[in-house]
Amino acid sequence: DAGITQSPRHKVTETGTPVTLRCHQTENHRYMYWYRQDPGHGLRLIHYSYGVKDTDKGEVSDGYSVSRSKTEDFLLTLESATSSQTSVYFCAISDWGHMGTDTQYFGPGTRLTVL
Amino acid sequence: AQTVTQSQPEMSVQEAETVTLSCTYDTSESDYYLFWYKQPPSRQMILVIRQEAYKQQNATENRFSVNFQKAAKSFSLKISDSQLGDAAMYFCAYSGGSNYKLTFGKGTLLTVNP
Repeated sequence: DAGITQSPRHKVTETGTPVTLRCHQTENHRYMYWYRQDPGHGLRLIHYSYGVKDTDKGEVSDGYSVSRSKTEDFLLTLESATSSQTSVYFCAISDWGHMGTDTQYFGPGTRLTVL
Repeated sequence: AQTVTQSQPEMSVQEAETVTLSCTYDTSESDYYLFWYKQPPSRQMILVIRQEAYKQQNATENRFSVNFQKAAKSFSLKISDSQLGDAAMYFCAYSGGSNYKLTFGKGTLLTVNP
């Protein structure tokens, strides 16, 4: 299994509070991603990173920001949590550009509930 | 934009039987990758199988195989000798050309009956 951990694994918070989710990898992969999973939508990309301090938006980025100051850590911040951000959040890693390593591997997920 | 469609929200199969899950996609890219991921009740996303579009040979991984029809933009997953542990949500996903991201279908929930 790819060495990917997410913290916290579960969180309950209140509307309007900031929340930060952490993804940590031990694989030294260049690319890291944040997805959210909602019933009826599959997984949708929020933001991704292609290197330290290099990030870009995905298809559902509104209300989220990210940071990557080290290769191994990718942080997702909900600046002011809303109930619509109640979801399961997955981190993934990959090493695009290397033969056979284009596959994304996923962390265990974080269940976030915004009351 | 690329889209991935899984037309079967739910499927069921008897233990030891074979089941095929359907997936179609839409793209204008000529070079891309296709994946099937499995998500059991533990919620972990597990890679089942991957296919490079430039390869004509269908990928296989033990009891799992795909039927990749590039012209038809179809990528079905066949599970042979189904086991109780195969029960899960299965997601088809696409990643194309210089596009970094995975585009997922909405999933097919597979039930395996003893």
